[in-house]
Amino acid sequence: GQNIDQPTEMTATEGAIVQINCTYQTSGFNGLFWYQQHAGEAPTFLSYNVLDGLEEKGRFSSFLSRSKGYSYLLLKELQMKDSASYLCAVYNTDKLIFGTGTRLQVFP
Amino acid sequence: SAVISQKPSRDICQRGTSLTIQCQVDSQVTMMFWYRQQPGQSLTLIATANQGSEATYESGFVIDKFPISRPNLTFSTLTVSNLSPEDSSIYLCSVEKKTGADNEQFFGPGTRLTVL
Repeated sequence: GQNIDQPTEMTATEGAIVQINCTYQTSGFNGLFWYQQHAGEAPTFLSYNVLDGLEEKGRFSSFLSRSKGYSYLLLKELQMKDSASYLCAVYNTDKLIFGTGTRLQVFP
Repeated sequence: SAVISQKPSRDICQRGTSLTIQCQVDSQVTMMFWYRQQPGQSLTLIATANQGSEATYESGFVIDKFPISRPNLTFSTLTVSNLSPEDSSIYLCSVEKKTGADNEQFFGPGTRLTVL
């Protein structure tokens, strides 16, 4: 079967750092994506990891360990606009399978 | 990137009727997908829309309930048939495109369906 797990909800303070974890067990693996989704909007692409290690893009970084079936998304210098759902998705052969999603609430 | 439009953006339908959702992309793409996102949930893949052949459905989704057309490389439709309140959801079209050395997946704005 396919399992992609994330915490359901997280809260953090403006200016802080938050790490959103994702663990996966899938029949195939061709990369891992992170998407951001604001309420009522479509998901937007944040990052893509296919090799182990850390990918940094401005305030957002994503890490992958294929041997552990584990990824995290790191958000630095949190802003109020970062309040959204964050979706981990595994690219399995020829399709994208989404995790449960993490709803992040940033407080002033 | 890819610009994706969906029609309608939202609809309210009666039980037992059907709704057809259109997805248009601004460039030719090989892979097109249809997802469902129920309230407060993540995205669930319904099927891969294949150009020139029948769609490939995920477990729990069948062609009779979710017929899909893909007449060319820029357009697809998803029909949700014999509607029931449990079909109330957001339906999203998605396409895969090569950006550099990677494949990236882009999403349409979604169609919000409410079944009464």
